[in-house]
Amino acid sequence: KNQVEQSPQSLIILEGKNCTLQCNYTVSPFSNLRWYKQDTGRGPVSLTIMTFSENTKSNGRYTATLDADTKQSSLHITASQLSDSASYICVVINFGNEKLTFGTGTRLTIIP
Amino acid sequence: DTGVSQNPRHKITKRGQNVTFRCDPISEHNRLYWYRQTLGQGPEFLTYFQNEAQLEKSRLLSDRFSAERPKGSFSTLEIQRTEQGDSAMYLCASSLEGGIAGELFFGEGSRLTVL
Repeated sequence: KNQVEQSPQSLIILEGKNCTLQCNYTVSPFSNLRWYKQDTGRGPVSLTIMTFSENTKSNGRYTATLDADTKQSSLHITASQLSDSASYICVVINFGNEKLTFGTGTRLTIIP
Repeated sequence: DTGVSQNPRHKITKRGQNVTFRCDPISEHNRLYWYRQTLGQGPEFLTYFQNEAQLEKSRLLSDRFSAERPKGSFSTLEIQRTEQGDSAMYLCASSLEGGIAGELFFGEGSRLTVL
């Protein structure tokens, strides 16, 4: 069964600190993996997309990694800002049928 | 390009009433998706259209739920005889066939509260 598990479920850090969110998946065959940011009461917005051949990709203060062998991804946030407070959802896409499997997200809270 | 638009953004209704949500996808996108999201969970797939054809429906989509996309542009999701368990955020997303696999653009969602 295709599954995406994220950890931690929630995280609270001080403004300016770094943090890393984890995503483990069992989706196969693999096409790509996306990290979405979802502000409270809003729709998800794509942050990064990782294909099979990519190990690391950065988008500003966000850096995503992918280890396709161990089926793990991480999202590292550098120098956190209050506006980073949101849920971060990992989504893995099947190769072929393009089905999306969503994780339950990590709720990140940045405190001043 | 104004993105995916959903309305209403919020709807409060009494149990047993019918509600309808509308989604306007990005204009050139031929694929349209409906998801449901409850607090602390990721989005759950409900149904998917390619142009006007409804190609897939989740088992979550009970017979009280119906979705349409009559002209292959906007879509509506109707919930009949609402129940308290229907309270959730209903997300619409669109994508372009032949685009990057799984590249969905989400709307802001329609939050339903059933009293």
